[in-house]
Amino acid sequence: AQRVTQPEKLLSVFKGAPVELKCNYSYSGSPELFWYVQYSRQRLQLLLRHISRESIKGFTADLNKGETSFHLKKPFAQEEDSAMYYCALSGRGGGFKTIFGAGTRLFVKA
Amino acid sequence: GAGVSQSPRYKVAKRGQDVALRCDPISGHVSLFWYQQALGQGPEFLTYFQNEAQLDKSGLPSDRFFAERPEGSVSTLKIQRTQQEDSAVYLCASSLGRTGGYNEQFFGPGTRLTVL
Repeated sequence: AQRVTQPEKLLSVFKGAPVELKCNYSYSGSPELFWYVQYSRQRLQLLLRHISRESIKGFTADLNKGETSFHLKKPFAQEEDSAMYYCALSGRGGGFKTIFGAGTRLFVKA
Repeated sequence: GAGVSQSPRYKVAKRGQDVALRCDPISGHVSLFWYQQALGQGPEFLTYFQNEAQLDKSGLPSDRFFAERPEGSVSTLKIQRTQQEDSAVYLCASSLGRTGGYNEQFFGPGTRLTVL
């Protein structure tokens, strides 16, 4: 079954501390992995995707096929990173469905 | 430029009423998705259109849910005989390419449906 698991509902860190938001997936095939973010009173938007291999706003994510994980990391959290983060997957073969995790709320304390 | 828009933003319906939710995608976007997001959950896929063709409706929870995109732009999600469990935020997203969720999706603000 296709599934995305984000084990933490809430993650609270101090400003300047490292942050890691966990994402594990289950998918038969080769998925494309995404992180979407929703800031307060804004729309859901793409943060980064595996295929781009970019660092966006200091965040990176590495696909670990052995552990079927796609954890999101940032070495030094900022207050403006406080938001809801969703991990998502879609079939690389052009599958139409996107599966989202339940989300992790990141709260960065001053 | 204009993003994805949805209307109404809020809808309160009595149990048993029919509702229609509208989505205006970004102009030129081929792909259109509908999602249902219950409180405290992530978006859950409902259906996918490529232009006017509904290529995947596997996520529609029952035959009370119906979606269309007759001219390949605006889409409507209709829920007949609403039930309390239909209460959720309904999100619409569009993307430029033809490869479904493989491309970046641009989301609308959502319609919050409350069924009393």
